[in-house]
Amino acid sequence: AQKITQTQPGMFVQEKEAVTLDCTYDTSDPSYGLFWYKQPSSGEMIFLIYQGSYDQQNATEGRYSLNFQKARKSANLVISASQLGDSAMYFCAMREGMDSNYQLIWGAGTKLIIKP
Amino acid sequence: ETGVTQTPRHLVMGMTNKKSLKCEQHLGHNAMYWYKQSAKKPLELMFVYNFKEQTENNSVPSRFSPECPNSSHLFLHLHTLQPEDSALYLCASSQDSLRGPYNEQFFGPGTRLTVL
Repeated sequence: AQKITQTQPGMFVQEKEAVTLDCTYDTSDPSYGLFWYKQPSSGEMIFLIYQGSYDQQNATEGRYSLNFQKARKSANLVISASQLGDSAMYFCAMREGMDSNYQLIWGAGTKLIIKP
Repeated sequence: ETGVTQTPRHLVMGMTNKKSLKCEQHLGHNAMYWYKQSAKKPLELMFVYNFKEQTENNSVPSRFSPECPNSSHLFLHLHTLQPEDSALYLCASSQDSLRGPYNEQFFGPGTRLTVL
């Protein structure tokens, strides 16, 4: 079974609009972390934001925020006031705390295209 | 140089060639990773080194041979590859691989490998 699901293979959004990228996860581990990475066409993975399973508040980093709904096991990324430079692939990933090898488990990604 | 660098950025090789990918991190980290990224598939973790010791080998074929001479350098030696090995190979580093759920990985720009 997939542990990280990103249901949107691609999205088109008008510049300056907010965009929500979906991510649902599956784990029985009470201690885990959720990550979002951005991958521009250049190839490099860029860390955006992190949410820990015990964090009481939703994580925010500048224009990025994470809509963390623990009961629903969802960790959607919200980008406010989108810019042309936000066009990229976006990956959700999870790291389980009790897993002995602490591997990052990745979703398949969402391709976001910002239209001028 | 800062961050994580990878060379070469692009590589085309025949199935009988031997080549090596190089990764170097300038972040003082103790863990380094090799990932394979194929089109439309989640990132696949190949190898993990923690304090120069290999801690993970995710059933990677022996035609891929990693080497970690020190905590700053990681190599992936390639030998008799198949066309299906064509992909983007990403290197990453982190403080160490056994830290709890929060363990941000920093990525290099990747090597785009084409096997003819």
